[in-house]
Amino acid sequence: EPEVTQTPSHQVTQMGQEVILRCVPISNHLYFYWYRQILGQKVEFLVSFYNNEISEKSEIFDDQFSVERPDGSNFTLKIRSTKLEDSAMYFCASSGQGREQYFGPGTRLTVT
Amino acid sequence: GESVGLHLPTLSVQEGDNSIINCAYSNSASDYFIWYKQESGKGPQFIIDIRSNMDKRQGQRVTVLLNKTVKHLSLQIAATQPGDSAVYFCAAAANAGKSTFGDGTTLTVKP
Repeated sequence: EPEVTQTPSHQVTQMGQEVILRCVPISNHLYFYWYRQILGQKVEFLVSFYNNEISEKSEIFDDQFSVERPDGSNFTLKIRSTKLEDSAMYFCASSGQGREQYFGPGTRLTVT
Repeated sequence: GESVGLHLPTLSVQEGDNSIINCAYSNSASDYFIWYKQESGKGPQFIIDIRSNMDKRQGQRVTVLLNKTVKHLSLQIAATQPGDSAVYFCAAAANAGKSTFGDGTTLTVKP
């Protein structure tokens, strides 16, 4: 069964450093998403991406964040200058023509 | 904007009993609703969805009920099993836009 994969599973970084979280969506999917989940809290939408551009973003997704689909398979989330409050699980998801989103296992980002 | 909330943060049931998890949403424009299951250390897993033109949808051991009048959504799990223990989230979306998640309900199934 196809699945969304994410790397790394855990990323530790120092405050102010840049991080890139990577995702490989399901191959024939067209819509891509990033969400985050602070420990013990609900899942929060960050951004959706379709046809090589951002289709929607939340207020969390400020200028420190960017997304890119550098090739036909990867979808990345970059945080330019990490803050302590960026520590969270980051989930990538993808969907096809239907609206059902398939989530990856997440990357745990720890900012120290 | 949309806000989605769950009625109970925790639910404990006996194995074999039926479970009902409830959710409320605020945006009348929401037209697509999803239930997710999240096990410890994993990403949300799609369980079942329902569009606003329906009021009930059934899957394998799960049923989702939608009451648009009172903006209420519920997930029923029949014959709950220990493997059903997890955090359950509902989410709502409008016009093919972003999904807004509710707070989770932690379901614990006692053997």
